[in-house]
Amino acid sequence: TQLLEQSPQFLSIQEGENLTVYCNSSSVFSSLQWYRQEPGEGPVLLVTVVTGGEVKKLKRLTFQFGDARKDSSLHITAAQPGDTGLYLCAGALYSGGGADGLTFGKGTHLIIQP
Amino acid sequence: NAGVTQTPKFRVLKTGQSMTLLCAQDMNHEYMYWYRQDPGMGLRLIHYSVGEGTTAKGEVPDGYNVSRLKKQNFLLGLESAAPSQTSVYFCASSQGGEAFFGQGTRLTVV
Repeated sequence: TQLLEQSPQFLSIQEGENLTVYCNSSSVFSSLQWYRQEPGEGPVLLVTVVTGGEVKKLKRLTFQFGDARKDSSLHITAAQPGDTGLYLCAGALYSGGGADGLTFGKGTHLIIQP
Repeated sequence: NAGVTQTPKFRVLKTGQSMTLLCAQDMNHEYMYWYRQDPGMGLRLIHYSVGEGTTAKGEVPDGYNVSRLKKQNFLLGLESAAPSQTSVYFCASSQGGEAFFGQGTRLTVV
């Protein structure tokens, strides 16, 4: 059973378009993180959201944590080829870091075509 | 600042052979993890450790063993490799939620 469902699994769009990636669960998380992974590299943290309803912005990326802390979204405005990569969401069931590790979604493969 | 370092980066094993993957972190983190990443499966937790001398099973622990004799090192062992263990293995460490990952070890079992 996949605790975190990410959608879409694959997304290919043109440069300049907007997109949203979703991360959904039936579980409540103490925090939720978004990572970006490039080929041949390990995932790198983009943002952590902790409070229900929280919105964080990182340049053209907007992250939102659902009010019930069960879901999250990543919105990219005016996508650029440099945004291409695998985007992973990860939930921590315990506050303070993860007594049993982070639970990861399967990821969204994003391709931005010039 | 090296962060999390994994060795080796690539390895090819024959079925039945054994090997150990080494993970070292220089951030004094308490938590360390081993994940495997397979196409369409995302990152799955194999084993983790909440401190020196402690280990625990994750989601897919069968066929693997781990040890955390020193706080900075977390070793992943395969006693008798099987083709199903062909994967990319990532080590991570954390303190307070954010996980820092190594660059991965690509393992092929033939």
